[in-house]
Amino acid sequence: GQNIDQPTEMTATEGAIVQINCTYQTSGFNGLFWYQQHAGEAPTFLSYNVLDGLEEKGRFSSFLSRSKGYSYLLLKELQMKDSASYLCAVNPSGAGSYQLTFGKGTKLSVIP
Amino acid sequence: NAGVTQTPKFRILKIGQSMTLQCTQDMNHNYMYWYRQDPGMGLKLIYYSVGAGITDKGEVPNGYNVSRSTTEDFPLRLELAAPSQTSVYFCASSSPGELFFGSGTQLSVL
Repeated sequence: GQNIDQPTEMTATEGAIVQINCTYQTSGFNGLFWYQQHAGEAPTFLSYNVLDGLEEKGRFSSFLSRSKGYSYLLLKELQMKDSASYLCAVNPSGAGSYQLTFGKGTKLSVIP
Repeated sequence: NAGVTQTPKFRILKIGQSMTLQCTQDMNHNYMYWYRQDPGMGLKLIYYSVGAGITDKGEVPNGYNVSRSTTEDFPLRLELAAPSQTSVYFCASSSPGELFFGSGTQLSVL
């Protein structure tokens, strides 16, 4: 079976750093995606990790440990516009086809 | 740069009606997908396609059909709408390392 867990809600202060964790148990693994989704909008791509380690993209970083079935998304210098849901998704299928299994998402609220 | 385009954005159906959700992409991607998103739940894969003429079921295919006659288009068909199909539907296409979503269709079945 497929199981992806992430916290339901988080609150953080503008300018601070927040880490959103994701743990997974899936029948296969060919990469992990993070998406941002503002209310009423489509998910937008943030990162894709295939190998262990940290990948940094501006204010956003994503970490993966395949042996622990664990990933996190790190958001630095939080801005009000970062208030959104953050979706963790695993690709359990073969490389090339992204039949993703999604977690339920973490709703992040950034407060002044 | 259009990307993945879905129509309509909103639709209300009566139980038993049928409709087609349209999806087209201009990125020449072979892989396309249909997901549904219900409140408080993760996105669920309905159907996917690895190229023109090839489709396969995802996690929740019951009540839906798809076709892929061209690389660009991947319509999703609801034959006999049921209240359980009330959801937001997202079409997507992928290239290596990235999955692009359309803007979504909010469907209500009453």
